[in-house]
Amino acid sequence: GENVEQHPSTLSVQEGDSAVIKCTYSDSASNYFPWYKQELGKGPQLIIDIRSNVGEKKDQRIAVTLNKTAKHFSLHITETQPEDSAVYFCAALDNTGKLIFGQGTTLQVKP
Amino acid sequence: DVKVTQSSRYLVKRTGEKVFLECVQDMDHENMFWYRQDPGLGLRLIYFSYDVKMKEKGDIPEGYSVSREKKERFSLILESASTNQTSMYLCASSLGQLEHLFFGPGTRLTVL
Repeated sequence: GENVEQHPSTLSVQEGDSAVIKCTYSDSASNYFPWYKQELGKGPQLIIDIRSNVGEKKDQRIAVTLNKTAKHFSLHITETQPEDSAVYFCAALDNTGKLIFGQGTTLQVKP
Repeated sequence: DVKVTQSSRYLVKRTGEKVFLECVQDMDHENMFWYRQDPGLGLRLIYFSYDVKMKEKGDIPEGYSVSREKKERFSLILESASTNQTSMYLCASSLGQLEHLFFGPGTRLTVL
Protein backbone atom coordinates (compact mmCIF):
# COMPACT_ATOMS: atom_id res chain seq x y z
CA GLY A 1 0.00 0.00 0.00
CA GLU A 2 0.88 3.67 -0.13
CA ASN A 3 3.47 5.01 2.30
CA VAL A 4 4.18 8.72 2.80
CA GLU A 5 7.34 10.00 4.46
CA GLN A 6 7.57 13.65 5.55
CA HIS A 7 10.63 15.72 6.51
CA PRO A 8 11.67 17.53 8.57
CA SER A 9 9.66 16.77 11.71
CA THR A 10 10.38 20.25 13.08
CA LEU A 11 11.40 23.43 11.30
CA SER A 12 12.25 26.80 12.80
CA VAL A 13 12.67 29.89 10.60
CA GLN A 14 12.95 33.61 11.09
CA GLU A 15 10.01 35.73 10.08
CA GLY A 16 10.34 36.69 6.43
CA ASP A 17 12.40 33.63 5.50
CA SER A 18 11.15 30.77 3.34
CA ALA A 19 10.18 27.33 4.62
CA VAL A 20 10.21 24.08 2.66
CA ILE A 21 8.65 20.78 3.73
CA LYS A 22 9.24 17.64 1.68
CA CYS A 23 7.30 14.41 1.26
CA THR A 24 7.95 11.21 -0.62
CA TYR A 25 5.39 8.58 -1.55
CA SER A 26 5.70 4.97 -2.65
CA ASP A 27 2.77 4.25 -4.98
CA SER A 28 3.39 5.58 -8.49
CA ALA A 29 -0.37 5.34 -9.17
CA SER A 30 -1.16 8.06 -6.60
CA ASN A 31 -2.48 11.16 -8.36
CA TYR A 32 -3.71 13.58 -5.70
CA PHE A 33 -1.54 15.29 -3.07
CA PRO A 34 -3.07 17.72 -0.55
CA TRP A 35 -1.43 19.70 2.23
CA TYR A 36 -3.16 20.40 5.54
CA LYS A 37 -2.34 22.97 8.21
CA GLN A 38 -3.25 22.34 11.84
CA GLU A 39 -3.21 25.30 14.19
CA LEU A 40 -3.06 24.81 17.93
CA GLY A 41 -6.33 23.45 19.30
CA LYS A 42 -7.92 23.01 15.87
CA GLY A 43 -8.40 20.28 13.34
CA PRO A 44 -6.31 20.20 10.15
CA GLN A 45 -7.44 22.45 7.31
CA LEU A 46 -6.69 22.04 3.61
CA ILE A 47 -4.39 24.82 2.37
CA ILE A 48 -3.38 23.65 -1.09
CA ASP A 49 -3.47 20.53 -3.23
CA ILE A 50 -2.02 19.31 -6.49
CA ARG A 51 -3.00 16.65 -8.97
CA SER A 52 -0.55 14.60 -10.96
CA ASN A 53 -1.23 16.33 -14.27
CA VAL A 54 0.55 19.50 -13.09
CA GLY A 55 4.04 20.07 -11.71
CA GLU A 56 3.46 23.19 -9.63
CA LYS A 57 0.63 25.15 -8.09
CA LYS A 58 0.74 28.50 -6.29
CA ASP A 59 -1.63 30.35 -4.00
CA GLN A 60 -0.23 33.65 -2.79
CA ARG A 61 2.68 32.82 -0.44
CA ILE A 62 2.35 29.05 -0.65
CA ALA A 63 3.25 26.73 -3.49
CA VAL A 64 3.44 23.01 -4.01
CA THR A 65 5.70 21.21 -6.46
CA LEU A 66 5.38 17.63 -7.63
CA ASN A 67 8.02 15.40 -9.17
CA LYS A 68 6.24 12.24 -10.31
CA THR A 69 9.39 10.58 -11.56
CA ALA A 70 11.08 10.87 -8.19
CA LYS A 71 7.79 10.41 -6.32
CA HIS A 72 8.17 13.44 -4.12
CA PHE A 73 6.30 16.68 -3.55
CA SER A 74 7.10 19.76 -1.51
CA LEU A 75 5.37 22.68 0.19
CA HIS A 76 7.02 26.07 -0.11
CA ILE A 77 6.05 29.01 2.07
CA THR A 78 7.63 32.35 1.24
CA GLU A 79 7.85 35.46 3.42
CA THR A 80 6.84 33.50 6.48
CA GLN A 81 4.78 35.19 9.17
CA PRO A 82 4.17 34.20 12.82
CA GLU A 83 0.65 33.03 11.89
CA ASP A 84 2.23 30.40 9.64
CA SER A 85 3.37 28.62 12.81
CA ALA A 86 1.46 25.32 12.88
CA VAL A 87 1.74 21.61 12.15
CA TYR A 88 1.70 20.79 8.44
CA PHE A 89 0.70 17.42 6.99
CA CYS A 90 1.18 16.15 3.48
CA ALA A 91 -0.95 13.32 2.10
CA ALA A 92 -1.32 11.11 -0.94
CA LEU A 93 -4.45 9.46 -2.25
CA ASP A 94 -3.98 5.71 -2.43
CA ASN A 95 -5.48 3.37 -5.03
CA THR A 96 -8.50 2.62 -2.80
CA GLY A 97 -9.44 6.31 -2.52
CA LYS A 98 -8.10 6.89 0.98
CA LEU A 99 -5.73 9.66 2.00
CA ILE A 100 -2.46 8.47 3.53
CA PHE A 101 -0.86 11.19 5.66
CA GLY A 102 2.75 11.97 6.42
CA GLN A 103 4.07 12.21 9.96
CA GLY A 104 3.68 15.99 10.20
CA THR A 105 6.06 18.96 10.43
CA THR A 106 5.92 21.48 13.25
CA LEU A 107 6.83 24.87 11.79
CA GLN A 108 7.85 27.67 14.13
CA VAL A 109 8.22 31.17 12.71
CA LYS A 110 10.18 33.39 15.07
CA PRO A 111 9.35 37.10 15.04
CA ASP B 1 -19.01 27.02 5.84
CA VAL B 2 -18.87 23.33 6.63
CA LYS B 3 -18.92 22.63 10.29
CA VAL B 4 -17.81 19.38 11.84
CA THR B 5 -18.42 19.17 15.55
CA GLN B 6 -17.18 16.59 18.03
CA SER B 7 -18.99 15.92 21.28
CA SER B 8 -16.06 16.49 23.62
CA ARG B 9 -12.75 18.34 23.43
CA TYR B 10 -11.27 16.41 26.35
CA LEU B 11 -12.26 13.05 27.80
CA VAL B 12 -10.78 10.95 30.61
CA LYS B 13 -11.83 7.33 30.93
CA ARG B 14 -10.77 4.25 32.87
CA THR B 15 -9.34 1.07 31.37
CA GLY B 16 -12.15 -1.28 30.36
CA GLU B 17 -14.81 1.40 29.99
CA LYS B 18 -16.92 1.63 26.85
CA VAL B 19 -16.31 4.99 25.20
CA PHE B 20 -18.41 6.81 22.63
CA LEU B 21 -17.01 9.64 20.51
CA GLU B 22 -19.64 11.50 18.54
CA CYS B 23 -19.21 13.51 15.36
CA VAL B 24 -21.79 15.59 13.51
CA GLN B 25 -21.45 17.46 10.21
CA ASP B 26 -23.94 19.99 8.93
CA MET B 27 -23.29 20.08 5.17
CA ASP B 28 -24.94 16.88 3.97
CA HIS B 29 -21.60 15.25 3.20
CA GLU B 30 -21.78 11.60 2.23
CA ASN B 31 -18.36 10.57 3.47
CA MET B 32 -17.20 10.57 7.07
CA PHE B 33 -13.92 9.45 8.61
CA TRP B 34 -12.31 8.82 11.98
CA TYR B 35 -8.57 9.42 12.32
CA ARG B 36 -6.22 9.03 15.21
CA GLN B 37 -3.36 11.53 15.62
CA ASP B 38 -0.20 10.60 17.52
CA PRO B 39 3.12 12.50 17.61
CA GLY B 40 5.51 11.25 14.96
CA LEU B 41 2.87 9.02 13.36
CA GLY B 42 0.71 11.60 11.61
CA LEU B 43 -2.96 10.87 11.02
CA ARG B 44 -3.99 7.25 10.77
CA LEU B 45 -7.38 6.17 9.46
CA ILE B 46 -9.45 4.06 11.84
CA TYR B 47 -12.79 3.69 10.05
CA PHE B 48 -14.72 5.46 7.33
CA SER B 49 -18.19 5.49 5.86
CA TYR B 50 -19.40 6.43 2.39
CA ASP B 51 -23.09 6.13 3.19
CA VAL B 52 -25.59 5.66 5.98
CA LYS B 53 -25.26 2.26 7.69
CA MET B 54 -22.13 1.60 5.65
CA LYS B 55 -18.69 1.28 7.23
CA GLU B 56 -15.24 0.27 6.09
CA LYS B 57 -12.12 -0.53 8.08
CA GLY B 58 -9.23 1.82 7.77
CA ASP B 59 -5.61 1.08 8.58
CA ILE B 60 -5.92 0.63 12.36
CA PRO B 61 -9.46 -0.64 13.17
CA GLU B 62 -8.50 -3.03 15.97
CA GLY B 63 -10.20 -2.16 19.25
CA TYR B 64 -12.68 0.22 17.59
CA SER B 65 -16.10 0.05 15.99
CA VAL B 66 -18.32 2.68 14.40
CA SER B 67 -21.95 3.48 13.84
CA ARG B 68 -23.63 5.60 11.19
CA GLU B 69 -27.39 5.56 11.64
CA LYS B 70 -27.92 9.03 10.15
CA LYS B 71 -26.07 10.77 7.34
CA GLU B 72 -24.86 13.62 9.52
CA ARG B 73 -23.63 11.56 12.48
CA PHE B 74 -20.70 9.16 12.74
CA SER B 75 -19.79 7.61 16.07
CA LEU B 76 -16.57 5.95 17.11
CA ILE B 77 -16.84 3.31 19.83
CA LEU B 78 -14.09 1.91 21.99
CA GLU B 79 -15.63 -1.31 23.28
CA SER B 80 -13.15 -1.69 26.15
CA ALA B 81 -10.78 1.23 26.43
CA SER B 82 -7.09 0.53 26.92
CA THR B 83 -4.20 2.84 27.79
CA ASN B 84 -2.74 2.50 24.28
CA GLN B 85 -5.87 4.19 22.95
CA THR B 86 -4.90 7.43 24.67
CA SER B 87 -4.69 9.79 21.71
CA MET B 88 -6.22 12.69 19.76
CA TYR B 89 -9.21 11.56 17.72
CA LEU B 90 -10.21 13.56 14.66
CA CYS B 91 -13.44 13.25 12.74
CA ALA B 92 -13.69 14.46 9.13
CA SER B 93 -16.23 14.64 6.35
CA SER B 94 -16.11 15.15 2.59
CA LEU B 95 -18.60 15.61 -0.20
CA GLY B 96 -17.02 13.20 -2.66
CA GLN B 97 -14.25 10.67 -2.28
CA LEU B 98 -11.73 12.97 -3.94
CA GLU B 99 -12.96 16.15 -2.36
CA HIS B 100 -11.02 17.62 0.47
CA LEU B 101 -11.61 16.65 4.06
CA PHE B 102 -13.18 18.98 6.60
CA PHE B 103 -11.95 18.13 10.09
CA GLY B 104 -13.53 18.66 13.47
CA PRO B 105 -11.49 20.17 16.33
CA GLY B 106 -10.59 16.79 17.79
CA THR B 107 -11.18 14.93 21.04
CA ARG B 108 -8.20 14.34 23.28
CA LEU B 109 -8.89 11.05 25.02
CA THR B 110 -6.91 9.89 28.03
CA VAL B 111 -7.37 6.32 29.25
CA LEU B 112 -6.10 5.73 32.78
